[in-house]
Amino acid sequence: DGGITQSPKYLFRKEGQNVTLSCEQNLNHDAMYWYRQDPGQGLRLIYYSQIVNDFQKGDIAEGYSVSREKKESFPLTVTSAQKNPTAFYLCASSTWGDSNQPQHFGDGTRLSIL
Amino acid sequence: GDSVTQMEGPVTLSEEACLTINCTYTATGYPSLFWYVQYPGEGLQLLLKATKADDKGSNKGFEATYRKETTSFHLEKGSVQVSDSAVYFCALVDTGRRALTFGSGTRLQVQP
Repeated sequence: DGGITQSPKYLFRKEGQNVTLSCEQNLNHDAMYWYRQDPGQGLRLIYYSQIVNDFQKGDIAEGYSVSREKKESFPLTVTSAQKNPTAFYLCASSTWGDSNQPQHFGDGTRLSIL
Repeated sequence: GDSVTQMEGPVTLSEEACLTINCTYTATGYPSLFWYVQYPGEGLQLLLKATKADDKGSNKGFEATYRKETTSFHLEKGSVQVSDSAVYFCALVDTGRRALTFGSGTRLQVQP
């Protein structure tokens, strides 16, 4: 079955540590996205990528970094510069050319501070 | 910029009651509109969508109509079930970035 796989499901970060969240899709989608969800709030866009080797900052990119070396993969690194990283992180993908097509989401990674 | 406003929750209903979750939006042009549902500990699942004015999206007994004149996309269901308990998000697509702009979500609790 096609879909988006995020790992790990739970992740703990120590002070000063960088951590990387994995996102893999087998939907053959061009575009991939990272969103952050805080309790009681909607999702906010961190980074997005339209094609391989290209990505753009979203609304809350500070303290995060990404790469897009393969079409299927879009890992997110939460750096030590992100002072409030505790949140639920969701990865999504979609076709790029048609804005009417919905985004497909993974099951998320919950990041907490030790 | 674009924005989406949803009614605050939680919304608590008895089984078989009628549901309406209000959603209004501000955007340039006429973006596609979506309702997503999130069950506890999971990602978001597409519930329904509408791509132009007066379109009605429907799925699993839920409906929403794209109202250009009132910039609204209210979610309705005639008879809710306990299994409908979840958080519901209204969203529109940013035609430039193709990213979604979400409302803050509305938690629905259905009691037997």
